[in-house]
Amino acid sequence: IAGITQAPTSQILAAGRRMTLRCTQDMRHNAMYWYRQDLGLGLRLIHYSNTAGTTGKGEVPDGYSVSRANTDDFPLTLASAVPSQTSVYFCASSEDSHQPQHFGDGTRLSIL
Amino acid sequence: GQNIDQPTEMTATEGAIVQINCTYQTSGFNGLFWYQQHAGEAPTFLSYNVLDGLEEKGRFSSFLSRSKGYSYLLLKELQMKDSASYLCAVLSNDYKLSFGAGTTVTVRA
Repeated sequence: IAGITQAPTSQILAAGRRMTLRCTQDMRHNAMYWYRQDLGLGLRLIHYSNTAGTTGKGEVPDGYSVSRANTDDFPLTLASAVPSQTSVYFCASSEDSHQPQHFGDGTRLSIL
Repeated sequence: GQNIDQPTEMTATEGAIVQINCTYQTSGFNGLFWYQQHAGEAPTFLSYNVLDGLEEKGRFSSFLSRSKGYSYLLLKELQMKDSASYLCAVLSNDYKLSFGAGTTVTVRA
């Protein structure tokens, strides 16, 4: 079934550790996105990529990095995790930047 | 920047109609999306408005007034499965999507 897959589903991580959240889509969508969702704040854009080989900063990029080496994969890296990065992380993709976005099932990340 | 407001919670009875309002102030506008998100799940796309007026999709309709910075999502013939959060999101001139905090709708029997 075509879609967008995130891994891991959940993770508990010690502060200061490095962590990469994986995101893969098989819909050949050009655009991909990473959001974090916190209670009462809604979804906030961390980083995005309009096409393979390009990335851009969203609303809350600090402490996170991304790469887009090919169309399908868009990993999100926390170089040195801090407790304020405890959140639910959603990856999304869309055919292009003004089409509806399709979301993965999310990664629940707890930083202790 | 973006400022998107929607009510935090709404409650309605099964079979009734509920209207979720969304007001926005944005630096440029390229369309407004509504998403549904059940607890613990991913958001799913419901509707998209870029021109003024009403878009109807079955039991769900969405309205947009660009001059007023206003949209609403209308849910008709409410069912228990419609209990969820409904997210209003605005696409800005740089094609970034900004989300409101969401409206949690509870449908009671």
